[in-house]
Amino acid sequence: GEQVEQRPPHLSVREGDSAVIICTYTDPNSYYFFWYKQEPGAGLQLLMKVFSSTEINEGQGFTVLLNKKDKQLSLNLTAAHPGDSAVYFCAVSGNTGGLSGKLTFGEGTQVTVIS
Amino acid sequence: GGIITQTPKFLIGQEGQKLTLKCQQNFNHDTMYWYRQDSGKGLRLIYYSITENDLQKGDLSEGYDASREKKSSFSLTVTSAQKNEMAVFLCASSIRLGENTLYFGAGTRLSVL
Repeated sequence: GEQVEQRPPHLSVREGDSAVIICTYTDPNSYYFFWYKQEPGAGLQLLMKVFSSTEINEGQGFTVLLNKKDKQLSLNLTAAHPGDSAVYFCAVSGNTGGLSGKLTFGEGTQVTVIS
Repeated sequence: GGIITQTPKFLIGQEGQKLTLKCQQNFNHDTMYWYRQDSGKGLRLIYYSITENDLQKGDLSEGYDASREKKSSFSLTVTSAQKNEMAVFLCASSIRLGENTLYFGAGTRLSVL
């Protein structure tokens, strides 16, 4: 089945600098890609849902890149600020219709923004 | 907007004890999920329920039971808590089967003495 490797497990970044988290997946038929953010003591919040047809997706303060050739999904935090300190998870699923929720999650990246 | 409420937030149990975690959602979503979160291991699916009274095993169902009593609630039972076990259990819901954007609760943190 699908496997997702997420790197790095920990990331320290100075306020105002950028940071990159990369997930590598194995199933070439993967279709939906997600980034979630988990703040301390909270559940996971959806940052962005990406479809396989879109390579570059911009959000508020971040960019998500999908490289299907290399089977990589990346989250670029631009101009990090203290509110970005959290654990970030990528998740991947296939276009299987009836198998909702069969997401495969990465192991998570603890991001710490240093003032 | 809706909310997913998990109770209790913290749960301390004894080895061998049967422990029940509860989850309520007011999104009116059909599908609900239980995930286990261990440090450095991502999230692993324990059980999910496509609709009321349905139960489907996930990748980590051994040692757990689940119950979807009504559309809005989904409970998880640890059948026999393991000594020194520590994990966070996350409940989630999605609109329906095939819609895989998940909305998560804040979690129940389990410690077993």
